[in-house]
Amino acid sequence: LAKTTQPISMDSYEGQEVNITCSHNNIATNDYITWYQQFPSQGPRFIIQGYKTKVTNEVASLFIPADRKSSTLSLPRVSLSDTAVYYCLVGDGQSNAGNMLTFGGGTRLMVKP
Amino acid sequence: ETGVTQTPRHLVMGMTNKKSLKCEQHLGHNAMYWYKQSAKKPLELMFVYSLEERVENNSVPSRFSPECPNSSHLFLHLHTLQPEDSALYLCASSQTLVQPQHFGDGTRLSIL
Repeated sequence: LAKTTQPISMDSYEGQEVNITCSHNNIATNDYITWYQQFPSQGPRFIIQGYKTKVTNEVASLFIPADRKSSTLSLPRVSLSDTAVYYCLVGDGQSNAGNMLTFGGGTRLMVKP
Repeated sequence: ETGVTQTPRHLVMGMTNKKSLKCEQHLGHNAMYWYKQSAKKPLELMFVYSLEERVENNSVPSRFSPECPNSSHLFLHLHTLQPEDSALYLCASSQTLVQPQHFGDGTRLSIL
């Protein structure tokens, strides 16, 4: 079971770039890395998913080193509305469906004015 | 709008009541999930359905009973709940078990 470790909380200021790193030392060959964002009293929202190297979409980038034992979610120029909890999940959804769906404690990001 | 709709948004019930939570998705997804989120705790996976077959059940008490009549609908039947069952219950769906999930905004359940 690929366990993930993230910082409990982070603080930032508006306009800054925020990088949140997730450790997953026992990631398996077929595992994907997926990040979600959750606001209070709402369900998590998908941000980005990757397997290796770098993935970029309109809201974030995901950096994955060659050994895939960690990954970094990068949020460019954060705003107050990016204050939320960010979750990193690792799994392949096949060999163990629950593996892909295990949310840890996440990282609580606070963006200040 | 995520494409996953949960009803009701809020529910208050006594321990002896029977109620059901409903989840509906019209995204054409083949997998659906129930999660429980208690205050200051991580999301806990409860049930997973893929192509209307249950594929995961994380030792959930029998007072929670899921039902997946078709790929678009998922129910969670509640019976004789305990105060510790008060939580936010989230439904999600995905195209396959490996694809990203789309979550509803949950049902806030309070047990008196």
